[in-house]
Amino acid sequence: EVQLVESGGGLVQPGRSLRLSCTASGFTFGDFPMSWVRQAPGKGLEWVGFIRSKPYGGTTEYAASVKGRFTISRDDSKGIAYLQMNSLKTEDTAVYFCTRGDSSSLGYWGQGTLVTVSS
Amino acid sequence: QTVVTQEPSLTVSPGGTVTLTCASSTGAVTSGYYPNWFQQKPGQAPRALIYSTSNKHSWTPARFSGSLLGGKAALTLSGVQPEDEAEYYCLLYFGAAYAVFGGGTKLTVL
Repeated sequence: EVQLVESGGGLVQPGRSLRLSCTASGFTFGDFPMSWVRQAPGKGLEWVGFIRSKPYGGTTEYAASVKGRFTISRDDSKGIAYLQMNSLKTEDTAVYFCTRGDSSSLGYWGQGTLVTVSS
Repeated sequence: QTVVTQEPSLTVSPGGTVTLTCASSTGAVTSGYYPNWFQQKPGQAPRALIYSTSNKHSWTPARFSGSLLGGKAALTLSGVQPEDEAEYYCLLYFGAAYAVFGGGTKLTVL
């Protein structure tokens, strides 16, 4: 059974950093791209970015709203994807979901972790 | 800035048929945008329904179908059930560089 579990969320002050983790199980992690999606309270879904699998270069793409501040990485040996968030702003407050896939499909989702950016 | 537009809300009767659409500010939506559709109920993570325009996941009920319609991506629900009441989001990919979700359609079954 495919499972994705996000962790690392919490309350952080504006301008600070936070790293989220997405621990995967039930599939060969290294074979799949991994994506991050967020949802601000009471709002719609926002695509954050994704990381390709190593056979496809392991490269990343980001939404304009986070480019230069957020970095997605992966540790295939541990089955974990990361979202490093720097220079956080109040508008980054959201539930962050990790998902398996990219344009092919985003079939499997975690339950999300809440990040609150506030002083 | 690319904008993806969905109907804000739709209402359908149980057993009826409804079509949700997804338009891009860049022009007609084609299969090259790999349209995806997701269902989200309050307090839950999104659930994937359709990928690459019309492909269903193994768990997608048969009453859900995806297509291209008049330059837009479309999600059609046939024989709507009360449990289909939810928010529905489309996602379009733009040249493997970025993706954009639509604003969501709140579907009411009444």
